[in-house]
Amino acid sequence: QQQVKQSPQSLIVQKGGISIINCAYENTAFDYFPWYQQFPGKGPALLIAIRPDVSEKKEGRFTISFNKSAKQFSLHIMDSQPGDSATYFCAASMLGGYQKVTFGTGTKLQVIP
Amino acid sequence: GAVVSQHPSRVICKSGTSVKIECRSLDFQATTMFWYRQFPKKSLMLMATSNEGSKATYEQGVEKDKFLINHASLTLSTLTVTSAHPEDSSFYICSARDRADSYEQYFGPGTRLTVT
Repeated sequence: QQQVKQSPQSLIVQKGGISIINCAYENTAFDYFPWYQQFPGKGPALLIAIRPDVSEKKEGRFTISFNKSAKQFSLHIMDSQPGDSATYFCAASMLGGYQKVTFGTGTKLQVIP
Repeated sequence: GAVVSQHPSRVICKSGTSVKIECRSLDFQATTMFWYRQFPKKSLMLMATSNEGSKATYEQGVEKDKFLINHASLTLSTLTVTSAHPEDSSFYICSARDRADSYEQYFGPGTRLTVT
């Protein structure tokens, strides 16, 4: 019930291309869906997040698409750059100070020149 | 922006010794702090949730006596790995939430623990 499934496990994209990472959740009580970017040896950093009352959110080259009925959401990275090479985690949580974040399994993105 | 620091960033200790990792919120008061463990090429695994002045809540399967968590103030939480063994070697990450009505967690840079 608390699981967040993420795919693909790894992704290779050419510079300038679009990177797409998909996630699915089961618990309909989740109402906050962040994406985190993690570089090797560093902690995760918030990239972009969405609430289920909107179907899409865009910040620069990063877009979250959200499908509430299908319980799925995805991250699109437009014009992918080598500097975007990192591991990306989708996550889900609920409002409340003690509520934990449930992470997906991660996607290692490599953007090749 | 909200900044969370961890100290040390890397630590090597001998098997059987204890090691303490500090997590500090630098520019905000953290109502709740979280401790995660991450194995190579794996996702973050929540170990425990702690609130200032109260006992930590541990996730199922996490040994309370092995991983001691103290949240002494609104800006400091510590994780002590007691009687460390090589299998405790991992990347430990803390995060902090600044308000009870906030969704966001701010993550620290992580601590690499190696037990020899």
